[in-house]
Amino acid sequence: DVKVTQSSRYLVKRTGEKVFLECVQDMDHENMFWYRQDPGLGLRLIYFSYDVKMKEKGDIPEGYSVSREKKERFSLILESASTNQTSMYLCASSLARWGASTGELFFGEGSRLTVL
Amino acid sequence: GQQVMQIPQYQHVQEGEDFTTYCNSSTTLSNIQWYKQRPGGHPVFLIQLVKSGEVKKQKRLTFQFGEAKKNSSLHITATQTTDVGTYFCAGSNAGGTSYGKLTFGQGTILTVHP
Repeated sequence: DVKVTQSSRYLVKRTGEKVFLECVQDMDHENMFWYRQDPGLGLRLIYFSYDVKMKEKGDIPEGYSVSREKKERFSLILESASTNQTSMYLCASSLARWGASTGELFFGEGSRLTVL
Repeated sequence: GQQVMQIPQYQHVQEGEDFTTYCNSSTTLSNIQWYKQRPGGHPVFLIQLVKSGEVKKQKRLTFQFGEAKKNSSLHITATQTTDVGTYFCAGSNAGGTSYGKLTFGQGTILTVHP
């Protein structure tokens, strides 16, 4: 089974702190994604990566950065946390697919971040 | 950018009743995927539809992809308490890429009363 592991289930941080969210997948997937989930808004894509050291902005990248130094690991960084970044953060991975089909996403358990 | 709208946001049903959630995209999609998220859990992939007009079934669940590849639906027949959760559609315009960025709908939260 594919396993996507997120480093922390729950975090509480203060405004202005730097926050690292780590994600590791064990199935050699090319693609990795960071989403945030908020009630009534669904899942919104922050950043994604389709290869080592490659990164692409998603729909809401402001206030975030990412790092992918190894294929299995994708980190989300909040340089200076703000209260509006309080949310559930979900990491996902997928196999590269070409054509009309898209690889299914395998999600981690999520990291619930509270910024005070 | 691509937008995917999903309705209704909430649905309460009595056990045994049917349930349908609808998804509409502002652009033509290459494919659409459906996910289920149990309370307290993470989204889990259910199915992917690729062809225009495609219909797929998984036991009591029926998935449809519109002829124009801009809308989709998920129908559950005779709901059970195990169907409780949030159902998301996610559309992709693969556009020649290997990652096919998915845009999620807002989700439909299904409650089933025994």
